[in-house]
Amino acid sequence: QLQLQESGSGLVKPTQTLSLTCNVSGGSVTGGGGYSWSWIRQPPGKRLEWIGYIYQSGGTFYNPSLKSRVSISIDRSKNQFSLKVTSVTAADTAIYYCARVGSASYFFDSWGQGALVTVSS
Amino acid sequence: DVQMTQSPSTLYASVGDRITITCRASQSVSRWVAWYQQKPGKAPSLLIYDAFTLKSGVPSRFSGSGSGTEFTLTINSLQPDDFATYYCQQYNSYSNTFGQGTKVAIK
Repeated sequence: QLQLQESGSGLVKPTQTLSLTCNVSGGSVTGGGGYSWSWIRQPPGKRLEWIGYIYQSGGTFYNPSLKSRVSISIDRSKNQFSLKVTSVTAADTAIYYCARVGSASYFFDSWGQGALVTVSS
Repeated sequence: DVQMTQSPSTLYASVGDRITITCRASQSVSRWVAWYQQKPGKAPSLLIYDAFTLKSGVPSRFSGSGSGTEFTLTINSLQPDDFATYYCQQYNSYSNTFGQGTKVAIK
């Protein structure tokens, strides 16, 4: 059974870089099936916000509103993918989820449990 | 960006009720809509995709319909486990967006 687990720094200072990793078990990040991977976040009391995708090829596509500050990468040897958000502010405080993107479509069929990241000095 | 607006924001219901949640898109998204259930402190869980396709393992009391700009999620015979928040998501474009959520609460 596919499982995703986020890890990373829970407290980040303003202007610094937020870094999170999603470890994938029970499946391969490059195991075929047409799946890709994604990060989504949920600020406290607000709606979900999609951050970006990474395809098995390593190609990426980001939310235009975050594109200048976001990067997603994939590490095949560790079976994980990662998120970096630069120049963070309090507005980046959120629960960050990693998820698998459905094959040949863009819904999210498996999610990690989420990681709370707080931006504060 | 395509805006997704759900109604109502909160819905009060009793066990056994049939409830409907509506999601309206600011422009046509064809049938590319998914529905998720989220319980407090948990990640969202996929219920329905492509507007009406039930994810394997999801109870048949959940159903979805709609196309274009208006979509609905219906729960027949509400069960205690169904009290949660529900989100719609459009993925017509690469840049997908979510609704603001509908909380289903006990009447």
